[in-house]
Amino acid sequence: QVQLVESGGGVVQPGTSLRLSCAASGFNFSTYGTHWVRQAPGKGLEWVASIWFDGSKKYYANSVKGRLTIFRDLSKNTMYLQMNSLRAEDTAVFYCARDPCGGDCAFDYWGQGTLVTVSS
Amino acid sequence: EIVLTQSPGTLSLSPGERATLSCRASQSVAGYYLAWYQQKPGQAPRLLIYGASSRATGVPDRFSGSGSGTDFTLTISRLEPEDFAVYYCQQYGSPWTFGQGTKVEIK
Repeated sequence: QVQLVESGGGVVQPGTSLRLSCAASGFNFSTYGTHWVRQAPGKGLEWVASIWFDGSKKYYANSVKGRLTIFRDLSKNTMYLQMNSLRAEDTAVFYCARDPCGGDCAFDYWGQGTLVTVSS
Repeated sequence: EIVLTQSPGTLSLSPGERATLSCRASQSVAGYYLAWYQQKPGQAPRLLIYGASSRATGVPDRFSGSGSGTDFTLTISRLEPEDFAVYYCQQYGSPWTFGQGTKVEIK
């Protein structure tokens, strides 16, 4: 069955870095677009970044541009989010999700999320 | 960037009642690229509707979506106990954006 499993979250200090992973299984990872969405405690959903099925296109929310980088390793069926210069406002549950159109559809499966807490 | 505004913020209804949720876009959503998600506490969002009106796999037919352009609606024909949750609309396509959510709570 389709599974997306996030990992890598934790408590970090402002200004430091963290790398999140999203391990995919149960489907042909190389033909799906994948995305990161975050949710601050008690708040709504915020799209963060997206990468096309072939890695040819990457998109970022303005709030993270220049600090976060999305990339994939097809050999490991894994997507990553490299987060640098973390701020308190980055504190959130980070979800990965896939879309069946390669990068331009609704998100039909989501992982359970990994919590990132940025605090001194 | 398309801004999505959902209303109402909270909907208080009883099981068996009809729920009507609104999502208004700041500019026209191209190609019916509008989705609805349900989220329960402590869980990841679940896709309900895509393409403004198509139900995702396994979604009961009491959920329906409609609308085009800038005005979209999610209707739950008869609320079941498991339907009390927060609902988000989303327009997909760079940049992806979500509405702020509508909470459907038990009256």
